[in-house]
Amino acid sequence: ILNVEQSPQSLHVQEGDSTNFTCSFPSSNFYALHWYRWETAKSPEALFVMTLNGDEKKKGRISATLNTKEGYSYLYIKGSQPEDSATYLCASKNAGNNRKLIWGLGTSLAVNP
Amino acid sequence: DGGITQSPKYLFRKEGQNVTLSCEQNLNHDAMYWYRQDPGQGLRLIYYSQIVNDFQKGDIAEGYSVSREKKESFPLTVTSAQKNPTAFYLCASSPNPRDIFANTGELFFGEGSRLTVL
Repeated sequence: ILNVEQSPQSLHVQEGDSTNFTCSFPSSNFYALHWYRWETAKSPEALFVMTLNGDEKKKGRISATLNTKEGYSYLYIKGSQPEDSATYLCASKNAGNNRKLIWGLGTSLAVNP
Repeated sequence: DGGITQSPKYLFRKEGQNVTLSCEQNLNHDAMYWYRQDPGQGLRLIYYSQIVNDFQKGDIAEGYSVSREKKESFPLTVTSAQKNPTAFYLCASSPNPRDIFANTGELFFGEGSRLTVL
């Protein structure tokens, strides 16, 4: 079983702060890396699907980078707002698990107004 | 609005009883999935279906059964054979039959069902 690790497990920031967190995944036979945002009592929503080494994607104040050679992805949130409070999940597709997604435990972000 | 509807949100079951969780989508997606979430673990795939009348076991299929008689519906039955059924269950879909193996194929999720076995 391949592991996907996310850090930190949780963090609290003040409104307006910028923050970032990490997803580590197996670098061998890598196919894709997914990021999802999951607000309490709602459904997880896709943020990014990334496949290419060095790729950077952006959606509003949120951006993500991908390093497939070393097996990590960073998610950045610029100028955090209370509505950014959520759990951020990442998941990796590798050949080792028949290309199915392996999920991390998530990073829980709380933004204080 | 297009989306995925799971019901019920909360369900209590006595040991030894089977229970069925509903998942309906109006996104016209071909592929559908069931995941389970437990404390301290990432989402784990129970079953998936790439097209109507076809489904495959995921990583933790024992004690579960599914059907895919209609494109929009993918119910999950938690049988009495499932040793630890208390969990949070998420249904998802994606547009194309080969998304589970593709390099893209983002998932669209429901809001989940929490099953508690008493």
